[in-house]
Amino acid sequence: GAGVSQSPRYKVTKRGQDVTLRCDPISSHATLYWYQQALGQGPEFLTYFNYEAQPDKSGLPSDRFSAERPEGSISTLTIQRTEQRDSAMYRCASSLKTGKETQYFGPGTRLLVL
Amino acid sequence: GQSLEQPSEVTAVEGAIVQINCTYQTSGFYGLSWYQQHDGGAPTFLSYNALDGLEETGRFSSFLSRSDSYGYLLLQELQMKDSASYFCAVRDKKGRRALTFGSGTRLQVQP
Repeated sequence: GAGVSQSPRYKVTKRGQDVTLRCDPISSHATLYWYQQALGQGPEFLTYFNYEAQPDKSGLPSDRFSAERPEGSISTLTIQRTEQRDSAMYRCASSLKTGKETQYFGPGTRLLVL
Repeated sequence: GQSLEQPSEVTAVEGAIVQINCTYQTSGFYGLSWYQQHDGGAPTFLSYNALDGLEETGRFSSFLSRSDSYGYLLLQELQMKDSASYFCAVRDKKGRRALTFGSGTRLQVQP
């Protein structure tokens, strides 16, 4: 596609529910990142994929968070048993693999856990 | 651990020049990037420095001194539309392509 897209744009859920966020990267981009961004702060790294491989998930805050990219294109981020502290903007970004540093960010999913 | 420090807010007038500084302390260093984010928008890439010196892209320039663990973003001929948050970000591990972002500098351009 023309840019990175994410869905849903907004998600309100109750504490304890599971949520799944979706990211559709730029079609030619091999690398996909997930970040969490609190209001007034910079994005914080969660995990990334090179195609379907997930070399680094060190930023995932707990084992309630997981991500996958089974076919090397669309990715999902799942948060199980959501807690109020999970409320944040979740951003996806993608980049070309070959040493290019530019990351293209999607519009984000605003998650609110009540 | 790693940290990036940048001023929280900067105010300038239209047509002026403003410099936003960033100092970093990271276990490794593989380049400094700058991103712009308007309120309600997504971060967008502005510039990248891997080596010491100045990189110029139109009205924006970015500088890096690896020996000083320091960089800055220079915005010239400020326009109202430049009002936004500006983040410096470091790639701190070779082969780890993710970025560590600073907490951002909010730039307000006044008429």
